[in-house]
Amino acid sequence: SAVISQKPSRDICQRGTSLTIQCQVDSQVTMMFWYRQQPGQSLTLIATANQGSEATYESGFVIDKFPISRPNLTFSTLTVSNMSPEDSSIYLCSASGGGNQPQHFGDGTRLSIL
Amino acid sequence: AQSVTQLGSHVSVSEGALVLLRCNYSSSVPPYLFWYVQYPNQGLQLLLKYTTGATLVKGINGFEAEFKKSETSFHLTKPSAHMSDAAEYFCAVSEGGGADGLTFGKGTHLIIQP
Repeated sequence: SAVISQKPSRDICQRGTSLTIQCQVDSQVTMMFWYRQQPGQSLTLIATANQGSEATYESGFVIDKFPISRPNLTFSTLTVSNMSPEDSSIYLCSASGGGNQPQHFGDGTRLSIL
Repeated sequence: AQSVTQLGSHVSVSEGALVLLRCNYSSSVPPYLFWYVQYPNQGLQLLLKYTTGATLVKGINGFEAEFKKSETSFHLTKPSAHMSDAAEYFCAVSEGGGADGLTFGKGTHLIIQP
């Protein structure tokens, strides 16, 4: 299965600033996704990162707040913009080969906003 | 729309006892079903998956799950619990397999009593 690395692993940020999270996969994958896990909660899909085109966002998430890039088949970034304390969460990247292939996850980025 | 219900936010079993974590799903098409485990301060690890074919699925660490279409269930079991099984367990569903994002249940925290 693919090995997925996320950077940074954690960060503490000031409100109003932005942070970009990187996700690197050790092999080419068809699909990449971004999820949010709020404290003590389950995971919620933010968007599907599409290679070479705009990401597909789920209801409640918008591009201006969570811009996503996917320049190639092994790399994606998620930016959390104009952060507020409500954005304090774990952000996880996942990847899949598509079809019947399951998603594999990175270790997540633990983000705290002061 | 797809959804997942996990019965019991916390389940406590004695070491060596049977582990049973319940998951019921709702899907408008034949679902792809997954169980993931999350250890503290880590990402999600895939335990097992159901796509098509055999309804009894074996996974890692001695876990297995049975897909029962008539009951819309995908319960996770392990015959004998080990202290190292203590973690958060998530059931997830996808209608498009690896090409679609996952919808997660709220999770079940498994506690192992010595």
